[in-house]
Amino acid sequence: EIVLTQSPDTLSLSPGERVTLSCRASQSVGSSFLTWYQQKPGQAPRLLIYGASSRATGIPDRFSGSGSGTDFTLTISRLEPEDFGVYYCQHYVNSLYTFGQGTKLESK
Amino acid sequence: QVQLQESGPGLVKPSETLSLTCTVSAGYINNYYWSWIRQPPGQGLEWIGYVSSSGSTNYNPSLKSRVTILIDTAKNQFSLILNSVTAADTAVYYCTRDIWEYIRSSRGWAYNGMDVWGQGTTVTVSS
Repeated sequence: EIVLTQSPDTLSLSPGERVTLSCRASQSVGSSFLTWYQQKPGQAPRLLIYGASSRATGIPDRFSGSGSGTDFTLTISRLEPEDFGVYYCQHYVNSLYTFGQGTKLESK
Repeated sequence: QVQLQESGPGLVKPSETLSLTCTVSAGYINNYYWSWIRQPPGQGLEWIGYVSSSGSTNYNPSLKSRVTILIDTAKNQFSLILNSVTAADTAVYYCTRDIWEYIRSSRGWAYNGMDVWGQGTTVTVSS
């Protein structure tokens, strides 16, 4: 079973700052199957990135994804007030989906 | 624009069966995979299982012995059945649409994420 570990658990930043979130897999995974989601309090998650680096429909270009093998990154180039929430990475392998534990992005 | 709506009891007694239905906007259920995801209070996301529009399924090994997911394309619905529930099954339950794209150049499939989510329904297991 592949485990996804996200870091940090919590990140406190201010609007305008650059954000880098990490997702590390316990073994090498295909980037075609790596996705990122954003969840705000009381809301369902929203798809941000698929295929490790492709933005989903309607996602602003300040969001970008990168990585391969075991290390993947979600970057927000310039943090907006509406970007605070919890971010999850997800992977699909051997017919199973797995989520990371999430990174909470909070306002400083 | 496809929309998903979960429905079902908000309260289930321990040892009983949890049953939820996800209704898909008319005309959108075929040729996709559909998942159930849950989120216990204050915790992260857990994938429960998926069903294809043709009825094939796969489940999280941790829940496999208690889970069944069914699809009724005529009604534009798919459903979750979870047996022998305990307090640990208390969660917000989401249904999702899973996007898969066939890549001709590589003759393989790429996963394009869970692009549509229901609003979620809270299920509490308590006597």
